[in-house]
Amino acid sequence: QKEVEQDPGPLSVPEGAIVSLNCTYSNSAFQYFMWYRQYSRKGPELLMYTYSSGNKEDGRFTAQVDKSSKYISLFIRDSQPSDSATYLCAINTGTASKLTFGTGTRLQVTL
Amino acid sequence: DAGITQSPRHKVTETGTPVTLRCHQTENHRYMYWYRQDPGHGLRLIHYSYGVKDTDKGEVSDGYSVSRSKTEDFLLTLESATSSQTSVYFCAISSSGGASYNEQFFGPGTRLTVL
Repeated sequence: QKEVEQDPGPLSVPEGAIVSLNCTYSNSAFQYFMWYRQYSRKGPELLMYTYSSGNKEDGRFTAQVDKSSKYISLFIRDSQPSDSATYLCAINTGTASKLTFGTGTRLQVTL
Repeated sequence: DAGITQSPRHKVTETGTPVTLRCHQTENHRYMYWYRQDPGHGLRLIHYSYGVKDTDKGEVSDGYSVSRSKTEDFLLTLESATSSQTSVYFCAISSSGGASYNEQFFGPGTRLTVL
């Protein structure tokens, strides 16, 4: 079983829609969860991170962790064409801040 | 953008030739990482460094070696390139380690094609 699994999409939504992106993970000991955004032909950049369980909100973005089901989510409200990118979940798995990434979900927001 | 550059940005080479990719940072961060990104696999860690001359393997290290003789430079070498090493390679840096929140900053990537 992979440590992190993510639906690759692609996901296409109209402008203004609420988007839900999800990952599952295998090890209940993981505590730091991150979402990176990657525009085409660019390096990933950190969008949000959460520690343990609960929600974290930043503008139109909400990151959620459900440790009981080992499920992490990123919600985007009022999606914009500029949100079109690949979104990767990542988990800090231990020493040296090594990250394990999901495969990424490609999102397209259409006008 | 965090001060990370990668060179070359694009490279086409032939099977069996050696290839070296360079990552250079101006942030004085201790940790540096090399990833490859492939469709269906996402980002996978090749090697990482936790200090000058201190390196360790990631999950896909076979066929790759690394060196770090200065804080600012981390080199990735493909001793004898194979077509399976065609990929986009990303360097990342982080200021500290441990099982905690430590943001990794990524470079712009190198597109390598092995014919």
